[in-house]
Amino acid sequence: AQSVSQHNHHVILSEAASLELGCNYSYGGTVNLFWYVQYPGQHLQLLLKYFSGDPLVKGIKGFEAEFIKSKFSFNLRKPSVQWSDTAEYFCAVNSPTGTYKYIFGTGTRLKVLA
Amino acid sequence: GAGVSQSPSNKVTEKGKDVELRCDPISGHTALYWYRQSLGQGLEFLIYFQGNSAPDKSGLPSDRFSAERTGGSVSTLTIQRTQQEDSAVYLCASRGQTNEKLFFGSGTQLSVL
Repeated sequence: AQSVSQHNHHVILSEAASLELGCNYSYGGTVNLFWYVQYPGQHLQLLLKYFSGDPLVKGIKGFEAEFIKSKFSFNLRKPSVQWSDTAEYFCAVNSPTGTYKYIFGTGTRLKVLA
Repeated sequence: GAGVSQSPSNKVTEKGKDVELRCDPISGHTALYWYRQSLGQGLEFLIYFQGNSAPDKSGLPSDRFSAERTGGSVSTLTIQRTQQEDSAVYLCASRGQTNEKLFFGSGTQLSVL
């Protein structure tokens, strides 16, 4: 069965610090990978996605993520965070050869101090 | 509609009562998902409807939970004989034909006293 692990549950950073949130998945086949973000009081929304091709994908608001197949990882990065990046971040996986059931991780709460 | 709509936004109930949570997906979206969000548990998959196919119910935690989707549109998640551990935010999401992304509703905050 598919599963997603996010090891950082709470992260606190100062503005301009660099960010890396870990995501590891468990699935033996081809996967699609996603990062979703939930800003305070808002709906969950897509930040970026990886389907195939270049393993370094760029999303909105300066975020990027790198798919490393050998490590089953899809870590999220941002070189310089802003106070407005305070949110909860969820990694997700589904299989393009399966039923498109999205499996999410437990989330990482990021707080950026101004 | 413009987005995924869920109702009620908040529901407080007594232990042992049944509750129904409603989801109106984006018009034309063929896929509909229910998730449960609770502290420390992230987004827990509950059930997934895709068109006219049999739903994937593999995430329903017990037989007290059920869901239906009528006419390929509106979905209702029913929790019978609610327990305190059912307290959580129940999120609905829909998706169009492609695997591009899920569109989430604002959720129903369920509190079981």
